[in-house]
Amino acid sequence: GQQLNQSPQSMFIQEGEDVSMNCTSSSIFNTWLWYKQDPGEGPVLLIALYKAGELTSNGRLTAQFGITRKDSFLNISASIPSDVGIYFCAGLSGTYKYIFGTGTRLKVLA
Amino acid sequence: NAGVMQNPRHLVRRRGQEARLRCSPMKGHSHVYWYRQLPEEGLKFMVYLQKENIIDESGMPKERFSAEFPKEGPSILRIQQVVRGDSAAYFCASSPSWAGRTGTYGYTFGSGTRLTVV
Repeated sequence: GQQLNQSPQSMFIQEGEDVSMNCTSSSIFNTWLWYKQDPGEGPVLLIALYKAGELTSNGRLTAQFGITRKDSFLNISASIPSDVGIYFCAGLSGTYKYIFGTGTRLKVLA
Repeated sequence: NAGVMQNPRHLVRRRGQEARLRCSPMKGHSHVYWYRQLPEEGLKFMVYLQKENIIDESGMPKERFSAEFPKEGPSILRIQQVVRGDSAAYFCASSPSWAGRTGTYGYTFGSGTRLTVV
């Protein structure tokens, strides 16, 4: 089946540092989403991307839809402690099913 | 404006019992999706439903699992004769239209039901 690989799997960073993570696929997707999941909660949508090459920002977050449509990147600038959590990418397969990545676990050291 | 409501938040069942997980979609949303998350893993698609119709159940185990979204009331994910391997977080999500439509912004997730089978 389709798989999305996220890297890194986990990362520890210092408060104030910038963070980069990416998501790659063997298949082409027409929509990419990035979600954040806090402990004990459901995922919350951060950014949606609909066009290859698209670069979209949401506050300190910036995401890009890769030009090959097989990858996407998420950057977080000037990280703060509340950025801790699991970040998931999701690619749209067909018209309604999102395939989720394995997640990047982010821990911020104050 | 309530979001996607799932209950119970936590459910403990003994092996062989039945588990019923409920999901009320956001107001105005008629499309419901169930995903399962095993510890330290991502979310795996289980089933997609519209009112009174199962559209895609390709991610559902063939036995013991069933889902419904009746005309009135919440969507129900039912697991019969639970086994330890069913222990996981089950998330429901909803969307106002088919989730791939541009501008739909994907799914809105509930907080999940954490099922523990002892």
